Amino acid sequence: DADVTQTPRNRITKTGKRIMLECSQTKGHDRMYWYRQDPGLGLRLIYYSFDVKDINKGEISDGYSVSRQAQAKFSLSLESAIPNQTALYFCATSDRGRGNQPQHFGDGTRLSIL
Amino acid sequence: EDKVVQSPLSLVVHEGDTVTLNCSYEVTNFRSLLWYKQEKKAPTFLFMLTSSGIEKKSGRLSSILDKKELFSILNITATQTGDSAIYLCAAPHGSSNTGKLIFGQGTTLQVKP
Repeated sequence: DADVTQTPRNRITKTGKRIMLECSQTKGHDRMYWYRQDPGLGLRLIYYSFDVKDINKGEISDGYSVSRQAQAKFSLSLESAIPNQTALYFCATSDRGRGNQPQHFGDGTRLSIL
Repeated sequence: EDKVVQSPLSLVVHEGDTVTLNCSYEVTNFRSLLWYKQEKKAPTFLFMLTSSGIEKKSGRLSSILDKKELFSILNITATQTGDSAIYLCAAPHGSSNTGKLIFGQGTTLQVKP
C-alpha cells in the first residue's frame, strides 16, 4: 500500500463546482503539503500544515482552502472551480525531525475543469 | 525573492549517453538542495545535498553542490530508457525548519533506445 494516498486519481468537472481532493498518509508524519504542477512551472505550494488544525498559506492559495482534521488526513477544496485550476495536484508529507527532511509525495490527482 | 532555476528544460539523448542537468538557486538562508525524479506518478527523492564539493552517488546517478557559485548538477551516466522522467530540484526556503520547498521548473529527459 502507498504511504501517501490521494483520491481521486482523476477528476473532470465543470466550472463553478465545488471539489474536494483527499490525502491520507500512513507515514506518521506531522507535516503535510498540497502542491499543484503545471507544465514548465514545476511544483508550487498551495497550503501546508504542521499539525492538526494548523493551516498555513503557500505561494498560490487564492481559490483554495484546506482542512487538517486528523494527523493522517489533509484535504484540499476548490470552492468554485475555474478552468485555470486545471492541473496535476500533489500531496506530500515530511517528518518534523532535525534539519531538513525530504518530502514524500502521493501519486497525484489530475484535475480538469471544463 | 527566492528562486530555483533548472536547465535545460528538456533534453533528448540516446541510450548510453551521459547527461548533466543543472540547477541554480537564489535562496535566503540556504540550507540544502534536493533532487527528485518524477516518472508517471509521484516525485521520488534522489539526493539531498548540504555541503559544497561532496558528491552524492547512487548507481549511475551522482550529484554535487557548489555553494559558492550557487548551483548543483545531476549527472546520469550510461543512460537507459528507464531514466526518462522529469527531474526536479528544490530547496527549503522561508523560516528555518518549516519544511517548505521551492521547486525549479523541472528538466524533462527522454532517453531513446
